Amino acid sequence: GDSVTQMEGPVTLSEEAFLTINCTYTATGYPSLFWYVQYPGEGLQLLLKATKADDKGSNKGFEATYRKETTSFHLEKGSVQVSDSAVYFCALTRTGNQFYFGTGTSLTVIP
Amino acid sequence: GAGVSQTPSNKVTEKGKYVELRCDPISGHTALYWYRQSLGQGPEFLIYFQGTGAADDSGLPNDRFFAVRPEGSVSTLKIQRTERGDSAMYLCASSHSGGWTDTQYFGPGTRLTVL
Repeated sequence: GDSVTQMEGPVTLSEEAFLTINCTYTATGYPSLFWYVQYPGEGLQLLLKATKADDKGSNKGFEATYRKETTSFHLEKGSVQVSDSAVYFCALTRTGNQFYFGTGTSLTVIP
Repeated sequence: GAGVSQTPSNKVTEKGKYVELRCDPISGHTALYWYRQSLGQGPEFLIYFQGTGAADDSGLPNDRFFAVRPEGSVSTLKIQRTERGDSAMYLCASSHSGGWTDTQYFGPGTRLTVL
């Protein structure tokens, strides 16, 4: 069945460090891929998405490229800030009916 | 505009009791989703509504769980004979049309604790 595997955390980085959170997926066909973020005390919100191979989603300095050949959608940011501290979830859907989420990666950025 | 709201924010109940969790989606959104999120895990799909009908209920774990959306807006997730293993955060999300490229907007969740 469809599934998402993402890098286990927690991840702790210093401010201005480079961030990568790995995400790989298993699905038939061409799913849409998403990164959601959950800031402390808040609900899940969409960070970025990509709907076809080689698409790059970007938002708030974060980027992720849909790689069909490696079934990956790794999240990157060149220079993290304290305000980026949150839990990040990778997700996919093929149909818009069922969405499959990874287990989440907790990021803490220290000044 | 108003986002997705869920009530109550917290619910504590005893094993064997019946509970109802409510979701108010964003106005005009035809698609509504329920998820369950256990501690340290990602959201797990439960059920998807398109309008008033349950288009996909394959994620409901057993027949103690049921959800309705009678007028195509507000939805209620109902859990009968609650068990301690039902304790989790229950999330609701809505999207404009439910397409596979559509963005889901999540509510803050209802934390259910079964004693």
